Amino acid sequence: GQQVMQIPQYQHVQEGEDFTTYCNSSTTLSNIQWYKQRPGGHPVFLIQLVKSGEVKKQKRLTFQFGEAKKNSSLHITATQTTDVGTYFCHTGTASKLTFGTGTRLQVTL
Amino acid sequence: DVKVTQSSRYLVKRTGEKVFLECVQDMDHENMFWYRQDPGLGLRLIYFSYDVKMKEKGDIPEGYSVSREKKERFSLILESASTNQTSMYLCASRPGQRWETQYFGPGTRLLVL
Repeated sequence: GQQVMQIPQYQHVQEGEDFTTYCNSSTTLSNIQWYKQRPGGHPVFLIQLVKSGEVKKQKRLTFQFGEAKKNSSLHITATQTTDVGTYFCHTGTASKLTFGTGTRLQVTL
Repeated sequence: DVKVTQSSRYLVKRTGEKVFLECVQDMDHENMFWYRQDPGLGLRLIYFSYDVKMKEKGDIPEGYSVSREKKERFSLILESASTNQTSMYLCASRPGQRWETQYFGPGTRLLVL
């Protein structure tokens, strides 16, 4: 079945440093979504990528979908303490939905 | 504004008890989902429903059942709770089967003693 691996599981950075999380699939993905979950909160939708090689930006966040549509990345430039949380990738078809295991980001001053 | 609510934020039950977790959405969404979230395992899909009275097994349906008698309400049932069902349970909904955002409820943290 479809498997989605997300790395790293955890990253601790100092405020101002960059951060990247990667989502890798064993099969070609039709699309991918990214969610953020703040500590004690629930996942909140960030963005969806559909096209091969697609790149989207939201302020300091850059999302990329690989050319082969088997991987995706989320890059945060100059992290802030408000970026703390767990970032999940999510993918699937109408009947098969899979979340990555998540990357927990800790940011310290 | 989109709203998904869950009946309890925290719940403590004993082994063998029947447990009902309720989820309600007020957005007239067709699809609803139940996930459990455990450290290191991310979110895993238990059951989902495309429409009223319809249900599909997710990745880990064992020990759970669901009910969707009304469009806005999706219930998760633990027939006989066990300690390995201690977890955070998240409900989500989305408008339809075409790829669209899922909206999550606040979660229910269940402890089975």
